[in-house]
Amino acid sequence: KQEVTQIPAALSVPEGENLVLNCSFTDSAIYNLQWFRQDPGKGLTSLLLIQSSQREQTSGRLNASLDKSSGRSTLYIAASQPGDSATYLCAVRGNTPLVFGKGTRLSVIA
Amino acid sequence: EPEVTQTPSHQVTQMGQEVILRCVPISNHLYFYWYRQILGQKVEFLVSFYNNEISEKSEIFDDQFSVERPDGSNFTLKIRSTKLEDSAMYFCSSGLADLSEQYFGPGTRLTVT
Repeated sequence: KQEVTQIPAALSVPEGENLVLNCSFTDSAIYNLQWFRQDPGKGLTSLLLIQSSQREQTSGRLNASLDKSSGRSTLYIAASQPGDSATYLCAVRGNTPLVFGKGTRLSVIA
Repeated sequence: EPEVTQTPSHQVTQMGQEVILRCVPISNHLYFYWYRQILGQKVEFLVSFYNNEISEKSEIFDDQFSVERPDGSNFTLKIRSTKLEDSAMYFCSSGLADLSEQYFGPGTRLTVT
């Protein structure tokens, strides 16, 4: 059974800092991996989708990498801003539609 | 930009009552999903729906749950007899194809008292 783990559970950084969020998964037989942002009490906003054949995907200040064989993905956020404060969720698509991690709660301090 | 919408945003119901949660997926999408998130826990897959039938369901999706696409736009989740443990945020999502990016709605917070 696929398990997704995100470390750290919470992270607090000063504005302007670059940061990395980590995601690991136990079963490397995945089709793709998706990163989401969730604001408190709100829905999930899709940030990036990486297909299993890709190594990286970029959108603005966000860069996601995927190492399928080692079961890891990272989300790099450049020049963080207070508006980036949210919970970031990683989810993998294997034989079951989207298995989620518990998320990393990010606070960017002005 | 097209988006997934869900109604109501918050539903309060008494234990044993039936509830129907509604979703309008993105119009050209063909795959529809329901997920739930109990407070403080992970988002969990419930069911996927394609071509007017369930394509996959999780262990959580037992006989108390059903899904329907009653017309060309709505996608509903019915909980027949709600229990306290059904209290959660329920998210609908849709995708163009089976393995494509999924887009989520804002969720319905269900509170069972």
